[in-house]
Amino acid sequence: QVQQQQWGAGLLKPSETLSLTCAVYGGSFTTNYWSWIRQPPGKGLEWIGQSNHFGSTTYNPSLKSRVTISVDTSKSQFSLKVTSVTAADTAVYYCVRINNNAWDYWGQGTLVTVSA
Amino acid sequence: QSVLTQPPSVSAAPGQKVTISCSGSTSNIGNNYVSWYVQLPGTAPKLLIYEDNRRPSGIPDRFSGSKSGTSATLGITGLQIGDEADYHCGAWDSSLSAGVFGGGTKLTVL
Repeated sequence: QVQQQQWGAGLLKPSETLSLTCAVYGGSFTTNYWSWIRQPPGKGLEWIGQSNHFGSTTYNPSLKSRVTISVDTSKSQFSLKVTSVTAADTAVYYCVRINNNAWDYWGQGTLVTVSA
Repeated sequence: QSVLTQPPSVSAAPGQKVTISCSGSTSNIGNNYVSWYVQLPGTAPKLLIYEDNRRPSGIPDRFSGSKSGTSATLGITGLQIGDEADYHCGAWDSSLSAGVFGGGTKLTVL
């Protein structure tokens, strides 16, 4: 059974950098793509980006200039950094496995609030 | 503004059937697989349907998916109170080179 556990700072000030990490347990870290998806309060899902275990990444064009997804295969972990955050980045952030053309296993989510 | 379009809400009585639509374009639904997710309040989304109409292990056959052209549909039969949740559709968009989702549909079981 695949599980993800994620962690990171939940309260940021405008202009700071959001940093989250997701650890993967079970399954095979090297045979899947791994993604980050966020959900602003009361709104729909927004795809942030994805990476494979080689570090080959694809990002949402609307966030590309501020987002970095990195992987640490030795620890079966992947991370998200978003620079220069604003209130518009306030959301629940999920780390998610990609399998069979779908996002199949979701982390528990981390609420990140950006407030002065 | 979401790339995929879903109705904000649908409702039906217990035991009845409901369908939720998801409309897109040739760059997403028209040429890529659609997936569906259910989200109970305060929890992470859960995969319901993948590759247009396939159910993961453990998902009952009350849930079904279909696709025609640039639109997809989630069907739920034998509605239960426990089915009250938000439902999201998702797909890959080849023009954007990005994953895209609908805005979500709130299902109310009256």
